[in-house]
Amino acid sequence: AQKITQTQPGMFVQEKEAVTLDCTYDTSDPSYGLFWYKQPSSGEMIFLIYQGSYDQQNATEGRYSLNFQKARKSANLVISASQLGDSAMYFCAMREGGNTGGFKTIFGAGTRLFVKA
Amino acid sequence: NAGVTQTPKFRILKIGQSMTLQCAQDMNHNYMYWYRQDPGMGLKLIYYSVGAGITDKGEVPNGYNVSRSTTEDFPLRLELAAPSQTSVYFCASSYDNEQFFGPGTRLTVL
Repeated sequence: AQKITQTQPGMFVQEKEAVTLDCTYDTSDPSYGLFWYKQPSSGEMIFLIYQGSYDQQNATEGRYSLNFQKARKSANLVISASQLGDSAMYFCAMREGGNTGGFKTIFGAGTRLFVKA
Repeated sequence: NAGVTQTPKFRILKIGQSMTLQCAQDMNHNYMYWYRQDPGMGLKLIYYSVGAGITDKGEVPNGYNVSRSTTEDFPLRLELAAPSQTSVYFCASSYDNEQFFGPGTRLTVL
């Protein structure tokens, strides 16, 4: 069965420093996708980054990178040069069943990030 | 493009009442989803659809029904509202890997 685990309920980081948010997953499907979303206090869900299970390289999107360690079943999000606007809830998610955009997606419980000035 | 729109934004229901949460997207996405988010928690998938006329259950479908008669619309029906259904409901759509979310509907059942 699918499972996503985020073990850090809250994290603090100093502005301009890098921070890693942890995510581990479990699945028996060889084909899956991993996502990170940001949810600011305003409540909307913002897509950050995607990693496919067959992708050879770690995904990067601007200041966001996904540290994908397939053997360890981890998909940690790294935010470089943190900004005050990065303070938000961050969710890791996984979709089984191929890279076609559909099928079930499950979310972790989230990590709340606080960026200090 | 309006993206994904949801109505209403807020609603208070009495126990046992029924209502439909509306969701529409104008991006011609085949895939659409309904999630609920309880306070301090992640999103849980209620139902999803891979195209018009095709729907399937997610993690927490009990107490809800959906239909998908068109590509654009994916309404969620609550038949007999219960306090356990107090939550924020998000609709989303996707074509590829990124899911586009609506702004959410905050539902309270008293």
